[in-house]
Amino acid sequence: EIVLTQSPGTLSLSPGEGATLSCRASQSVSASYLAWYQQRPGHAPRLLIYAASSRATGIPDRFSGSGSGTDFTLTISRLEPEDFAVYYCQRHGGSLTFGGGTRVEIK
Amino acid sequence: EEQLVQSGAEVKKPGESLKISCQGSGYSFSSYWIGWVRQMPGKGLEWMGIIYPGDSDTRYSPSFQGQVTLSADKSISTAYLQWSSLKASDTAMYYCARKGGAFDVWGQGTMVTVSS
Repeated sequence: EIVLTQSPGTLSLSPGEGATLSCRASQSVSASYLAWYQQRPGHAPRLLIYAASSRATGIPDRFSGSGSGTDFTLTISRLEPEDFAVYYCQRHGGSLTFGGGTRVEIK
Repeated sequence: EEQLVQSGAEVKKPGESLKISCQGSGYSFSSYWIGWVRQMPGKGLEWMGIIYPGDSDTRYSPSFQGQVTLSADKSISTAYLQWSSLKASDTAMYYCARKGGAFDVWGQGTMVTVSS
């Protein structure tokens, strides 16, 4: 079974800064099947990115995804206050594994 | 508006059975897989399984195979997650989500607490 490892576990940043989150797979994952989700405290997850680089409906363009093979990245260009949350990657084809998450906290 | 609405919070005792629900609206419920995701307190997301309401085809995560049962009633646009004998370790938030490629529409979650 494919394992997704996210790093870092926690990212401490200030509003306005950029964030780079990593998701590494134990085996090659088709870029067509890699998604990113945001979860704010007390809320259900929200789809941000699917197929590695496609933004979901209504997602601001400060969020972007990239990568292929075993290495994928979520980039937030300028952090807004509402972006401080936990982010998860997921393989959304075959076995629907989630990564362990990266918490983006206010520095 | 496409949405999934889940049943309310539950408090149960170990050994009891439980069935929680997830009702879809605003889209063709039968045409999309519905997934279930567990989130234990303070922890990450775990995929449990998916079901296709059109024909009730079901796939389980190996971690949850035999532990839970997924079902669906397409006539009322509702999917279900059930346990026959709850354990304290089943205490968690449970989410349903529509699989339109990725999980693009999520329910609000159902908190299940199992305590003696």
